[in-house]
Amino acid sequence: DGGITQSPKYLFRKEGQNVTLSCEQNLNHDAMYWYRQDPGQGLRLIYYSQIVNDFQKGDIAEGYSVSREKKESFPLTVTSAQKNPTAFYLCASSATGMSPLHFGNGTRLTVT
Amino acid sequence: EDKVVQSPLSLVVHEGDTVTLNCSYEVTNFRSLLWYKQEKKAPTFLFMLTSSGIEKKSGRLSSILDKKELFSILNITATQTGDSAIYLCAAHEISGGSNYKLTFGKGTLLTVNP
Repeated sequence: DGGITQSPKYLFRKEGQNVTLSCEQNLNHDAMYWYRQDPGQGLRLIYYSQIVNDFQKGDIAEGYSVSREKKESFPLTVTSAQKNPTAFYLCASSATGMSPLHFGNGTRLTVT
Repeated sequence: EDKVVQSPLSLVVHEGDTVTLNCSYEVTNFRSLLWYKQEKKAPTFLFMLTSSGIEKKSGRLSSILDKKELFSILNITATQTGDSAIYLCAAHEISGGSNYKLTFGKGTLLTVNP
């Protein structure tokens, strides 16, 4: 089955630690995205990538980093510089930059 | 300042009611307007609108775009409890030359009571 896989579903970390969230897609999509969702805030764009080895900052990129070494993978690292990392993180992909996004089931990160 | 504004932020109705959800946008290099439904985790795609005045329909759901007034509405007729969800509106824009980005509103939380 084609789709987007995010892992893990739940992640717990201590403050000050970096953590990497995984996102893999087997849809052969060119574009991939990371969003953060907080209660009452909708989805806010962190980073996005239209092609391999290229990515752009979204609206809230500070404290995050990404890589796009392979078409099917777009991991997100939440660094210790991110002041409020506890949130629900959604990864998405689209066939082209203009196509509708398909979302993974998300990773809920809790930092204490 | 928010580029995509949805209203109302929450709405409670009874089964059988008709609801209208609103979305206004203000983005440069606008390309399309999308609607998603989010029940628990992954938002699921509903509609993509690129032209003004052309209604898109899927069962009891329909949506239309007004590019002159910069807004879209999502209508749900004969609501059912299964329609309870967060409805997200998003605007597609070209950013930084050739990159497309999708900016979401805060969503409307719809609760349909039996």
